[in-house]
Amino acid sequence: DAKTTQPNSMESNEEEPVHLPCNHSTISGTDYIHWYRQLPSQGPEYVIHGLTSNVNNRMASLAIAEDRKSSTLILHRATLRDAAVYYCILRDRNNDMRFGAGTRLTVKP
Amino acid sequence: DSGVTQTPKHLITATGQRVTLRCSPRSGDLSVYWYQQSLDQGLQFLIQYYNGEERAKGNILERFSAQQFPDLHSELNLSSLELGDSALYFCASSVEAGNTDTQYFGPGTRLTVL
Repeated sequence: DAKTTQPNSMESNEEEPVHLPCNHSTISGTDYIHWYRQLPSQGPEYVIHGLTSNVNNRMASLAIAEDRKSSTLILHRATLRDAAVYYCILRDRNNDMRFGAGTRLTVKP
Repeated sequence: DSGVTQTPKHLITATGQRVTLRCSPRSGDLSVYWYQQSLDQGLQFLIQYYNGEERAKGNILERFSAQQFPDLHSELNLSSLELGDSALYFCASSVEAGNTDTQYFGPGTRLTVL
């Protein structure tokens, strides 16, 4: 299974942009890159996903490297409610969602 | 609120016992997934059902089993419980079974085995 590598933790100031990196050097051509986050005491929630092109939605942007071996989740203006563990996940044709340890994002007021 | 419901919220039981966790997916969703989250193992995919049929299997122990019923709700059965089975169990659902489908997670069932 293709794996992802993320920093254990990151800090950000409120209302500043946050760039959360993810390395997935063994990604295959059919793997989709998904990001989920888990707020304290809640189940994970979907953030964004993409295959090759950069993607934007109301929550975030996803920048995917040209060789697809890395990606970056961008929160344009972090709020205190964005404090969570962010998971970068590769989903293959089997559709398995293999969560890694994720990045714990702390947002400082 | 994701629309996925799980019962019970909390469950305390003893080693060797058997419990059943229940999940109701979002209206219209055909796929149900089960995950286990423990402090030392993180979030682990257990099993997926699609429209009543098992679709994918992850790190599910033989002591654990699941099924999806005709009304699409699902149950996860855990038997011969051990202390190490103490964890949060999440259910998720999605419309279809593809690798682009968003999974919506329930609030989880916290299982404590004493």
